[in-house]
Amino acid sequence: DSGVTQTPKHLITATGQRVTLRCSPRSGDLSVYWYQQSLDQGLQFLIQYYNGEERAKGNILERFSAQQFPDLHSELNLSSLELGDSALYFCASSVATGPNEKLFFGSGTQLSVL
Amino acid sequence: AQSVTQLGSHVSVSEGALVLLRCNYSSSVPPYLFWYVQYPNQGLQLLLKYTSAATLVKGINGFEAEFKKSETSFHLTKPSAHMSDAAEYFCAVSNTGFQKLVFGTGTRLLVSP
Repeated sequence: DSGVTQTPKHLITATGQRVTLRCSPRSGDLSVYWYQQSLDQGLQFLIQYYNGEERAKGNILERFSAQQFPDLHSELNLSSLELGDSALYFCASSVATGPNEKLFFGSGTQLSVL
Repeated sequence: AQSVTQLGSHVSVSEGALVLLRCNYSSSVPPYLFWYVQYPNQGLQLLLKYTSAATLVKGINGFEAEFKKSETSFHLTKPSAHMSDAAEYFCAVSNTGFQKLVFGTGTRLLVSP
């Protein structure tokens, strides 16, 4: 168990809908990362937050947004969902953001868009 | 732009045999390199990382990887495969430590008795 909690584990929804994925980082970790794992694109970095502020951005679509709350949990919001958004979404956390930090990954949220 | 190429989407070995998973990277700056393992229905777990301290990096579960700049490679090896090693393995590169990891497409390791 990595200590990173993601909910829900599975989510099935329809095209055009909006969903929210939730991530609780390990206790004491200030940095949260979101990754998307799909058959088409592989494993891709989406976005990183550090202590409530956006720190780095990757291949995140404009239809997607994220935030980190004062209690350090993070939410990834996906809107106007398309079939291609079906993927496994991982959250990871680390204490800080230095090059020697270690990422701990959650077990992911499997999103199926029908 | 950085990238990694993992040769072979599937690798099959017998229990007790050598495991060799290949990874080649492309980076314009000295890279940080990583190997992660993903077991079914689980998140990624860090096996080892290269951060320029030593070219031979030892990780968990008996795995190690050697950074070869001349070959732009960071292959993962284990002398003797165990059934519990069956999983998907991802090579990743970054120029900022753990931020913005760029992953390869993964190699599924199959271990037969």
